[in-house]
Amino acid sequence: NAGVMQNPRHLVRRRGQEARLRCSPMKGHSHVYWYRQLPEEGLKFMVYLQKENIIDESGMPKERFSAEFPKEGPSILRIQQVVRGDSAAYFCASSNRGGYNEQFFGPGTRLTVL
Amino acid sequence: DAKTTQPPSMDCAEGRAANLPCNHSTISGNEYVYWYRQIHSQGPQYIIHGLKNNETNEMASLIITEDRKSSTLILPHATLRDTAVYYCIPVTNDYKLSFGAGTTVTVRA
Repeated sequence: NAGVMQNPRHLVRRRGQEARLRCSPMKGHSHVYWYRQLPEEGLKFMVYLQKENIIDESGMPKERFSAEFPKEGPSILRIQQVVRGDSAAYFCASSNRGGYNEQFFGPGTRLTVL
Repeated sequence: DAKTTQPPSMDCAEGRAANLPCNHSTISGNEYVYWYRQIHSQGPQYIIHGLKNNETNEMASLIITEDRKSSTLILPHATLRDTAVYYCIPVTNDYKLSFGAGTTVTVRA
C-alpha cells in the first residue's frame, strides 16, 4: 500500500523562477494538506484541499502561492517568482476524511532558491 | 487550540521506556491530544491520540491526567530508530495541525 508520494524530493530554483511541487495522496484519500517547514522551525499549515476544492487556504501567503487538487492527478503547490525566503521543506499529508483522523505525511520536497 | 509546553530535549537508554511529558493546561473539552514524531529529514509520523481515556497502540501508550491538563507519551522499549522530535498537539480541527518546537529525543545505545 503506497504511502503519500511527493516529487521532486529536491528542487533547486533561481530567484524569479517558478516551483511546482507535486503530491499524490494515499490510495482512497481525498483530503490533502500542505505544510511548510522553514529551517530550524516547526511545520506550519498552509492549505487544505479536497478534490477540486480549496477548503482552507488561511496559511498560504497572499501572493505568488497557489494550490490545486484536480479531479484527476496529483495535488500541485505552485510558487511563482520564487525568492530566497521560500527555501524550505514542503510537506504534503493526506487523510481519508476531515475531522479527528490522523494525517499521513509524505517525505517532503526540499526547495532551495539560489 | 491550546498552548503546549514540552521539554526541549531528553535522552533515553536503548531498551528502556521513554516517558515524554506534555503540559496543555488550557486545553478545551473538545480538543483531542495528538502525538506525532519527525525523524530527521522525514515527514511527520502519526503516533497516537486521545481525548480522556488512556490509549495504547503498537507504537506507544498515551496517559492523560484526569483534569486533562497534561499527558505523557510512553515508548515502552525505546530503540535507536525512535530518535526523533516528538510533538504534542491539541486538536479540534485536525486539518490545522500546529507543530511547535517539540521534544528532541535521543536514544543512546
